[in-house]
Amino acid sequence: EAQVTQNPRYLITVTGKKLTVTCSQNMNHEYMSWYRQDPGLGLRQIYYSMNVEVTDKGDVPEGYKVSRKEKRNFPLILESPSPNQTSLYFCASSPWQTGGWGPPQHFGDGTRLSIL
Amino acid sequence: SQKIEQNSEALNIQEGKTATLTCNYTNYSPAYLQWYRQDPGRGPVFLLLIRENEKEKRKERLKVTFDTTLKQSLFHITASQPADSATYLCALARKNSGYALNFGKGTSLLVTP
Repeated sequence: EAQVTQNPRYLITVTGKKLTVTCSQNMNHEYMSWYRQDPGLGLRQIYYSMNVEVTDKGDVPEGYKVSRKEKRNFPLILESPSPNQTSLYFCASSPWQTGGWGPPQHFGDGTRLSIL
Repeated sequence: SQKIEQNSEALNIQEGKTATLTCNYTNYSPAYLQWYRQDPGRGPVFLLLIRENEKEKRKERLKVTFDTTLKQSLFHITASQPADSATYLCALARKNSGYALNFGKGTSLLVTP
């Protein structure tokens, strides 16, 4: 089954304790992205990656890191989490398409992070 | 600044009627616009994509229109069913921005029997 898998689905942790949210897709997609979703603010893009070893900042990258060493994986790293990073996080992927027409993105089911 | 506005108030309609959701944008030159459905606790699911040079797109009971002059997209669900109850998100991709998508905040639709 084609899917984007995020782990963990839920995490409660404390300020300053480094954490990693993993994201894996089995569709051989070139493009992957991380979003956070907050009430009243909607989905906002954190980072995206057009292919292996190629990453770029989205609209709200501060406090986050990503890496893309393999095509299927795109982990989100919070080096020193803070309470304002408490949010619902989504990973998404899509295939590259000539002309940049932007094929639809496939989303994971989300990771709910609570930073105390 | 760039804005994508969707009606923040929930839309309540009766089963069988047509639901119409609105997406307005400012300060964008979108290459295309996408509509997604999101159920509580789940990730968004893609529904339809319409390009800047297209006026209308249909898929089964769904129809999307795109008016780049009015800077507006309308999303219609005909013969609505309670199973259509969800939050619907519109997303814009700016030209020359790679795959960067900006999402509206979504409109909640409730279809009652």
